[in-house]
Amino acid sequence: DGGITQSPKYLFRKEGQNVTLSCEQNLNHDAMYWYRQDPGQGLRLIYYSQIVNDFQKGDIAEGYSVSREKKESFPLTVTSAQKNPTAFYLCASSIVNQNTGELFFGEGSRLTVL
Amino acid sequence: AQSVTQLGSHVSVSEGALVLLRCNYSSSVPPYLFWYVQYPNQGLQLLLKYTSAATLVKGINGFEAEFKKSETSFHLTKPSAHMSDAAEYFCAVSGAYKLSFGAGTTVTVRA
Repeated sequence: DGGITQSPKYLFRKEGQNVTLSCEQNLNHDAMYWYRQDPGQGLRLIYYSQIVNDFQKGDIAEGYSVSREKKESFPLTVTSAQKNPTAFYLCASSIVNQNTGELFFGEGSRLTVL
Repeated sequence: AQSVTQLGSHVSVSEGALVLLRCNYSSSVPPYLFWYVQYPNQGLQLLLKYTSAATLVKGINGFEAEFKKSETSFHLTKPSAHMSDAAEYFCAVSGAYKLSFGAGTTVTVRA
């Protein structure tokens, strides 16, 4: 079955450590996205990529980094510069030339900073 | 810029009662609108979408939503709530390069 796989589902990190969240899709979608979810705040866009080897900052990119070396993969690194990293992170993908903008989501990764 | 506002962060309904979740949008162009559902510790699943065809949109699990341009609204309804409808629901509007989401409404279903 086609879909988006995020790993790990749960992750614990000590303050000052970088951590990388994996996102892989086999939907053949061009665009991929990372959203952060906090209670009562909905989803906020961190980074997005519409094509391989290119990505753009979203609304809350500070303290995060991404890469897009392959169409199928869009890993997110939460760096030590992110002041409040504890959150639920969602990866999504979409068809670029589909003008509705519909997103397909992974199951999410919950990061907790100890 | 496009945005949505969901009215009410929590809704509690009895099993078998009407579910009504409110969403108002702001958009400078004709919008594409979406409702997603999220179960605990899971990703978001598309319930339905409005893409400028019929104003009454039917989705999965018995949900439907009506686009009202005059009221800039896209409220989600289900005639009869089921225990399995307990979840968080998000309204979203399509922008230039992303979906913008509302803050979410948590639905509790009472037996």
